[in-house]
Amino acid sequence: AQKVTQAQTEISVVEKEDVTLDCVYETRDTTYYLFWYKQPPSGELVFLIRRNSFDEQNEISGRYSWNFQKSTSSFNFTITASQVVDSAVYFCANRGLMDSNYQLIWGAGTKLIIKP
Amino acid sequence: DGGITQSPKYLFRKEGQNVTLSCEQNLNHDAMYWYRQDPGQGLRLIYYSQIVNDFQKGDIAEGYSVSREKKESFPLTVTSAQKNPTAFYLCASAAGTGPEAFFGQGTRLTVV
Repeated sequence: AQKVTQAQTEISVVEKEDVTLDCVYETRDTTYYLFWYKQPPSGELVFLIRRNSFDEQNEISGRYSWNFQKSTSSFNFTITASQVVDSAVYFCANRGLMDSNYQLIWGAGTKLIIKP
Repeated sequence: DGGITQSPKYLFRKEGQNVTLSCEQNLNHDAMYWYRQDPGQGLRLIYYSQIVNDFQKGDIAEGYSVSREKKESFPLTVTSAQKNPTAFYLCASAAGTGPEAFFGQGTRLTVV
């Protein structure tokens, strides 16, 4: 089965707190990509990161970091010292590396609310 | 600037009418997608196209139609057969060599 699960429907934290968004995936592909996208209130989906399945190195970009654990099929996203501008819906997605039809499998999204 | 342009941003449709949502990209991407998003929900795939003159149904294609006559353009028609068309529609494109999809700003369709 191809599936992406974001169990947290909504998270609310106070500004400057750290917050982790969970993503668990199921895939039949041996090689694949994982993605995170941000959807601010304006509606457009903004690409944040891509991770290849053969590269388990974690990544940090400013206040954002991603933890890829192939053993647990998870690709979690942490925001350090959250800010009000981080408030958005965040989506995790998966695609097979050899998938010729470019189909993305999407999680349901996690709504993140950062309170001032 | 390279990107994906969706128009209009807001669209109102009377019941029984067909409406067409525009999606244009100048990224030279092979693949293009249409998604529907309902309030508080995730993305559901309507149609996608990998090359010109070819497209495939997604999970919720009923009541929708598309065409791909040019690489840059992938318009979506919401037909009168779509009984609940009020939603936010997102168009995306992806390159053959780059797996991530890039999105337009969306069209919010409301039936009045």
